[in-house]
Amino acid sequence: ILNVEQSPQSLHVQEGDSTNFTCSFPSSNFYALHWYRWETAKSPEALFVMTLNGDEKKKGRISATLNTKEGYSYLYIKGSQPEDSATYLCAAAGGTSYGKLTFGQGTILTVHP
Amino acid sequence: GAVVSQHPSRVICKSGTSVKIECRSLDFQATTMFWYRQFPKQSLMLMATSNEGSKATYEQGVEKDKFLINHASLTLSTLTVTSAHPEDSSFYICSALTGGGYGYTFGSGTRLTVV
Repeated sequence: ILNVEQSPQSLHVQEGDSTNFTCSFPSSNFYALHWYRWETAKSPEALFVMTLNGDEKKKGRISATLNTKEGYSYLYIKGSQPEDSATYLCAAAGGTSYGKLTFGQGTILTVHP
Repeated sequence: GAVVSQHPSRVICKSGTSVKIECRSLDFQATTMFWYRQFPKQSLMLMATSNEGSKATYEQGVEKDKFLINHASLTLSTLTVTSAHPEDSSFYICSALTGGGYGYTFGSGTRLTVV
C-alpha cells in the first residue's frame, strides 16, 4: 500500500496570487501520478496524469511537475481566481497501468476575491 | 467526455436496513469500476474493485458480505450496504476506468448517514 501525503492541508490566497502545493509518494514501485480538482457536490475532475521523471504538464493557468526519483509532484496555479477554489487531490498508482489509486488527503484551496 | 452518474447523492437510513448505491457509465463501457469511501478528514480509501461479469476484489479489512458489489453490465455497478450501522456512515464514491490505462472517471459521490 502506497503512502501518499499532500501539503498543505488548506490554503487561503487572494485573487491574483500564484500558489503551489505538494504531493509526496514512495518512489519505489511507482507507475503514475494523478492530479484531480474536486469541487463540492461534483465529481473529481482529472487534471493531469504523469508517469515519467521530469514530466511537466500544463492546462491553462495550472501546471504540474513530477520527480519520481525523490517521490514528489508539485501543482502550480498562476494568478489564482475564485473559481479555482476547490480541493486538489493527488493519487499515486503503482504496479500495472491499471493499478489502484492511493489518494492523499487533498489540499483545500480558497481564493478570496 | 466520459461521465459516470452516481445516485443517490444523499441517503439517510435506519440502522439495520440496506442501502443500494448505483453508478452508471453514460457514454462508455466501464469494464472496471472502483469503489471508495471517505471518512471525515481522511483520504479516499479504496474498498473494492469490480470487473464486469466477475466477483469483486475487496481490499483488506473490507467485509465483502456487508458491502455487496454487483457489476452485471458494462454500464452499471452497484454497491449495497447491508444491515447498515452508524459506523457505516461515510461518503462513498465510484470510479470507472475510462481507457488507455490512465483515465479514471468519477461519480459525484453518495453521502450515507445511518441513524
